[in-house]
Formats: sequence, structure tokens, C-alpha cells
Amino acid sequence: DIQMTQSPSTLSASVGDRVTITCRASQSIGSLLAWYQQKPGKAPKLLIYKASTLESGVPSRFSGSGSGTEFTLTISSLQPDDFATYYCQQYNTLWTFGQGTKVEIK
Amino acid sequence: QVQLVQSGPEVKKPGASVKVSCMASGYTFSSNAFSWVRQAPGQGLEYMGWISAYNGETHYAQRLHGRVTMTTDTSTNTAYMELRSLRSDDTAVYYCARVAGVGAYRPFDYWGQGTLVTVSS
Repeated sequence: DIQMTQSPSTLSASVGDRVTITCRASQSIGSLLAWYQQKPGKAPKLLIYKASTLESGVPSRFSGSGSGTEFTLTISSLQPDDFATYYCQQYNTLWTFGQGTKVEIK
Repeated sequence: QVQLVQSGPEVKKPGASVKVSCMASGYTFSSNAFSWVRQAPGQGLEYMGWISAYNGETHYAQRLHGRVTMTTDTSTNTAYMELRSLRSDDTAVYYCARVAGVGAYRPFDYWGQGTLVTVSS
């Protein structure tokens, strides 16, 4: 099974900060990586797929990069609506989620 | 617009079974696969398995193998997930999610609202 490891587990930031979350795969997954945002009591929402393609309707302050085993999600200027938990997911071999990164208010 | 509407919350005793439904609308049902994902209280997302609504192909996560069955009903555009021999650590919110394609190698582009299953004696 492919394991996905996110870091950090928790991130404290302020509105306007640039935020970066890292996701590492236990083996190469090419570019078959997605990022999801989840708010408390809600279902996850797809933000980015194929490592760097923004899902329709997602603000351009979100961006993704990477390939192979190392990936990043960047929020260029954190907004109040962005405080949430973020998950990476590989879909190269079935599907596996990272353990999540909670972005909280500093 | 695409919608996935799940059945309501369930409370079950240890050893019982639960069957959660996920009714899809707004697209051609057989054009996409479904996955089921669960989230225990305060924990992350756990992939449970997937089913193709096109040909019924399934895969189940190893740790659930033998206890879970996923099915689809193309006459009602509904996907089902049945989990048997419930234990307290099966207490979680269960989500159905649409795979962005007929098979694997796609992310999950739409999600149901979640169904809370509580296992308690």
C-alpha cells in the first residue's frame, strides 16, 4: 500500500499569511495527487487534482505543485474562510489519504 | 447539478449490521464509480473501498475485508455500503464520494453529506 505523510499536523497562521503544507508519498505516484479541504461537520471538498490543477470554482490563492513523491499545497494569502483541515490523497494505486493538516488561527 | 444524498444516522449494537445508502442525481449514474470513506470522531479520512457503477467491479480495504459489501442499484441511482459485525471502533461518519470517472485513477469530485453510525451497547 502507498502511504501518505503530511506535515505539519497543525499549523497556526494569521489572515494574510502565506501557508505551505507538504505531502510525501512512500513511492512515486507521478502527478496523481489531490488536495481536499474539510471544515468541521462538513464533507471534504476537492480543491486541486493532478497535483496542480485547480478544481472549478476554487480561489486562485490555492496552488499545488510537485511530482513523484513530494507535493505541496500553498495558500498565497490566508483568508478567514481557509481555516480548516487539509488532506492530500494519492490516486495512483487505489486511494490513500494523508493524516491531515489543521490550519488554525494564530 | 450533481448531488449525493445519504441516508440518516444509525445507532447499532455491537455485532449488528448497518447499510448506508447514497442516492445520486444530476448526472448519468453509470458514468462514475463510487468510493466510501469513513471518519472516526476527531480522526482523519479512511478509504473503505470502491465500486464501479458501470460494471459492479469492487475493491475493499484490507482491514475491512470480509465485513463490508458495496453495491449499486442503477434503477434508483443509489449506491449502498453494508458493514457487518459492527464494533465500537466502527463508530464514525460514513461518506460516499463520486469518483471523477468510471474507474480508478481519478480523485473524488463530489461527496455526500455523511451518515453518522454509532455502535454502542
